[in-house]
Order: sequence, then C-alpha cells, then structure tokens
Amino acid sequence: QQQVKQSPQSLIVQKGGISIINCAYENTAFDYFPWYQQFPGKGPALLIAIRPDVSEKKEGRFTISFNKSAKQFSLHIMDSQPGDSATYFCAASKAGGYNKLIFGAGTRLAVHP
Amino acid sequence: SAVISQKPSRDICQRGTSLTIQCQVDSQVTMMFWYRQQPGQSLTLIATANQGSEATYESGFVIDKFPISRPNLTFSTLTVSNMSPEDSSIYLCSVGDGFFGPGTRLTVL
Repeated sequence: QQQVKQSPQSLIVQKGGISIINCAYENTAFDYFPWYQQFPGKGPALLIAIRPDVSEKKEGRFTISFNKSAKQFSLHIMDSQPGDSATYFCAASKAGGYNKLIFGAGTRLAVHP
Repeated sequence: SAVISQKPSRDICQRGTSLTIQCQVDSQVTMMFWYRQQPGQSLTLIATANQGSEATYESGFVIDKFPISRPNLTFSTLTVSNMSPEDSSIYLCSVGDGFFGPGTRLTVL
C-alpha cells in the first residue's frame, strides 16, 4: 500500500527527443505527486508536482500526466537536452504534500548529443 | 517555498563516533522530515519530527541510533550515533510541500 513503483530504471534519449518516466502507486489516499531531479553530489530538487484534481500539469518542457483511475502518473520531458541528464525520482504523499513522501526507485536519464 | 539550510554540508567521520546534523528553516513549520539516501539509492524516510513531541521513526530506524531534536518550529537536529561505514549516505531534511535542504554527505571510514 505504501509503495511507489517507477520505471524504467535507466533511459537513454537523443537530444531533442521526448523522455518519458512512469510511476504507479497503490494507496488511494495519496493526493500529492511530485517529481524530483537530482544531479550527482546534490540533493533532490523539486521539479514539478501535481494533485489529483487535474490530469495534466505543464511547466516549460516538463509535463506531468496523471491517471487517477489507473493510479499512474508520468513525467514527460520535451525537447530533451544533455543538461537534463540526471536521476529523476517520483514520489507520493498524503495531506497535500504536508506529510512524508514515499519515493520511487529512480530513473537515470542520459541525453546524448 | 521555505528556504532550508543544513550543516555540515559534508563530513568524514571515524567508525564508532557520532555526528549531529542541523537543519534550519526560514519560516515556522509544523512537521520536519529526515531522509537518508544511500549511495546510488532512492530516498528513505528516517523519521518525522514535530515540535513539542517525540519523533516518529519509520520501520528499520530507532531512536538510539538516530536521535532527533526539535526544539522549535524552525530548527531540528539529527544525530547519527556509533557510526559504521554502512551509515555513509546523504542525509536530508525536508518540510511540507516537498522541499528539501541541500543535504549532508557523510562518509564513515
């Protein structure tokens, strides 16, 4: 009930392509779904987050798609750039985010020039 | 969003010693969270720290190993006690809405 499953484990994309990372959850009490970007040696940085009252949220090249009935959400990175090469984590939380976060295992993204 | 700072940013410690990590927030927050990220792994919650009450520890983490203080609404400390090389990790504090401090990178020799 507490798990968040993330796939793929690693992803290679060509510059300009679309990177897609998927997450699935079990606990229907989760109501806050953030994505984090982490570069080596740094802490995770909040990239974008969605709440279940909307099916999609876009910020620049980053889009979250949310499917409440399937209990799945995904991160799309449009026009992927080498600077996007990092590890991405999805997470889920109750109470609108003011609660502990349950993290996915992470996806290591490499964008090749 | 809150601004979160941590001290120290990194440290190298000897086996059997203890290290206290500080987390300072620029605004008052009810709940603070401490996470551990082992090398190449995801983040795992150690405990939730509420001001004025005992911290709540997740399965696999105990107060004797990771004592936490929360003296006020802007500050918390996490101590990693009797360290072993397996404690080498990044330790992160977080507040509501998913924001994290920069982390403390701990290496235990």
